[in-house]
Amino acid sequence: GQNIDQPTEMTATEGAIVQINCTYQTSGFNGLFWYQQHAGEAPTFLSYNVLDGLEEKGRFSSFLSRSKGYSYLLLKELQMKDSASYLCAVVTDYKLSFGAGTTVTVRA
Amino acid sequence: SAVISQKPSRDICQRGTSLTIQCQVDSQVTMMFWYRQQPGQSLTLIATANQGSEATYESGFVIDKFPISRPNLTFSTLTVSNMSPEDSSIYLCSTPVQGVAGAPTDTQYFGPGTRLTVL
Repeated sequence: GQNIDQPTEMTATEGAIVQINCTYQTSGFNGLFWYQQHAGEAPTFLSYNVLDGLEEKGRFSSFLSRSKGYSYLLLKELQMKDSASYLCAVVTDYKLSFGAGTTVTVRA
Repeated sequence: SAVISQKPSRDICQRGTSLTIQCQVDSQVTMMFWYRQQPGQSLTLIATANQGSEATYESGFVIDKFPISRPNLTFSTLTVSNMSPEDSSIYLCSTPVQGVAGAPTDTQYFGPGTRLTVL
């Protein structure tokens, strides 16, 4: 079975940093994705980690530790437009298993 | 990356009826998937749409309820049959990005989704 856990909600101030953690226990693992989803819209791809370590892409960074079954998404210099749901997903044989998503609210 | 479109973008349907959702990709892709996102929840894989053969369904989803067609490498349809209010969801198709020599990579992009409301 697939078990992917992430916090339900997080709130942060504009300009601050927020770290969204994701832990997983899955029957297979070919990599881990982070997607951003604004209300009423489809998920958009943010990052993909297959090897241990940190991947940095502008204001967003994602980290993976396969031995610990752990990943995080780091959002820096938060902007109001970053208010969204962030989905952690594990891919196995091209199939995605999603966590429940973390709703991030950015306050002025 | 492939551009994925879906039709309709949204619909309101009466219980007991059926709706067919179309997914079009602007390039040939080997794999296409259908996901469902119920209100307030995350995405769940319904099935893999296989070109030239029957779709492969995940646990909890059956062909009679969600028949899928994949007539070619750029197009697929998902039908939600005999709908009930519990079928009210966003339905999304996705496809892996094609890599070297057309082999699928792990990175997947989603279509814009079809928002279905069943009354």
